[in-house]
This record gives sequence, C-alpha cells and structure tokens, in this order.
Amino acid sequence: DAKTTQPTSMDCAEGRAANLPCNHSTISGNEYVYWYRQIHSQGPQYIIHGLKNNETNEMASLIITEDRKSSTLILPHATLRDTAVYYCIVRVERDDKIIFGKGTRLHILP
Amino acid sequence: DTGVSQDPRHKITKRGQNVTFRCDPISEHNRLYWYRQTLGQGPEFLTYFQNEAQLEKSRLLSDRFSAERPKGSFSTLEIQRTEQGDSAMYLCASSAQGTTEAFFGQGTRLTVV
Repeated sequence: DAKTTQPTSMDCAEGRAANLPCNHSTISGNEYVYWYRQIHSQGPQYIIHGLKNNETNEMASLIITEDRKSSTLILPHATLRDTAVYYCIVRVERDDKIIFGKGTRLHILP
Repeated sequence: DTGVSQDPRHKITKRGQNVTFRCDPISEHNRLYWYRQTLGQGPEFLTYFQNEAQLEKSRLLSDRFSAERPKGSFSTLEIQRTEQGDSAMYLCASSAQGTTEAFFGQGTRLTVV
C-alpha cells in the first residue's frame, strides 16, 4: 500500500512555481522520498528523490521537512507541458519495486 | 532512442482469448518490472525480474497471468482467457541494479470486448 498522502488535484498558472505537497508521516529512517510524473498516455517518468536534505536538478526541487514527515516538489516555472499526474513515493533506495498511489493531477493553466 | 519498448501499443481482443505482450528493456538493465494501470489509478505492481529470475509476483497476478524473461533480456506477459476486467494499460519498466531510477515504456493498452 502507498505510504503517502497527496491532494487529488491542483491548478497552477503558467510561468508560476508549482508546489506539490506530500505527507509521509510513517516514513522510516532508511526510506527515501521519490517523485515521478505521468503525462497523459505515457509511462511514468522519474523526477527527483531525496533522503533528508533538499535536492535540486534540472527538472525540479525537493524540499523535505526536518522531521521528514512531509515534502514539497517544486517546479520553478511551470509550463503547459508540466500538466501531468505527479506521484510521491516512499521507498528504500534501490528497492525492488515502486508502489504508486493515486498521485496529484496538476493542471497548468495558460 | 534506446528507451523501454513495448509491443503492441494497443490490443483489442474478445473475451476468452489469450493475449501476449512484449517488453524490450534498456540494454544492460538487469531488472524488469510489469505494472497494470486502470483509468484514474496509479500503476499497480504485478511482477519483477532480475535477469531471468522472477523474484516477486503480486497477488494481483492471477493464475491466468504469466510472465517470462527467458534470456534475461526481453520479457513477455501473457493473459489467458481474458476477461473484461483485464482491460487496462500494461506498463513495463527497467532499471540497472544498484541504481535508483526506473525507466518506463509507453505501455500496451488492452481492451477486452
């Protein structure tokens, strides 16, 4: 079962930062927070992951609270192409499988 | 592009027929996963292989489902005696052991009529 809670849907204006929250209050010390997204009619795509420090790559930033019970994925300048379902996943790094929840459907509005 | 390839992209079949899907992972990825996704839901894990060994099967994988990866390269997923409830997108993913990122194919959409 998914160990995370996410809002069902969110809207964000094009060009603005999209902030997607995720709760993972039962996360264990050796579990990482992963984010994937799924654009319509495509397979999921890896975005970013982290353990306790904030992380940034070319796609997004990941902010993890100090108690690690929640995190936020930030898309700094959202475009229409960022419209997708975003999945927050908790897993042991290099675990054998990814367990998806229902994710957050992000709509980028022109 | 040498990403994960799935074939066919779409399949329509009559109830009771058998279907087989193929997945070609990224070259040298020794881990291969199968997922099923229905409308409005996240992908559900079905099974995974490390090389040719099938290491885990979900209870979702009924005895009508069988997956193989005979030479540790491509994999097939067969569904026997299809039912309307089998209609879904079937996704394949691969990863290299010791890495964190799994790469997904575009999926095979199955419609059972």
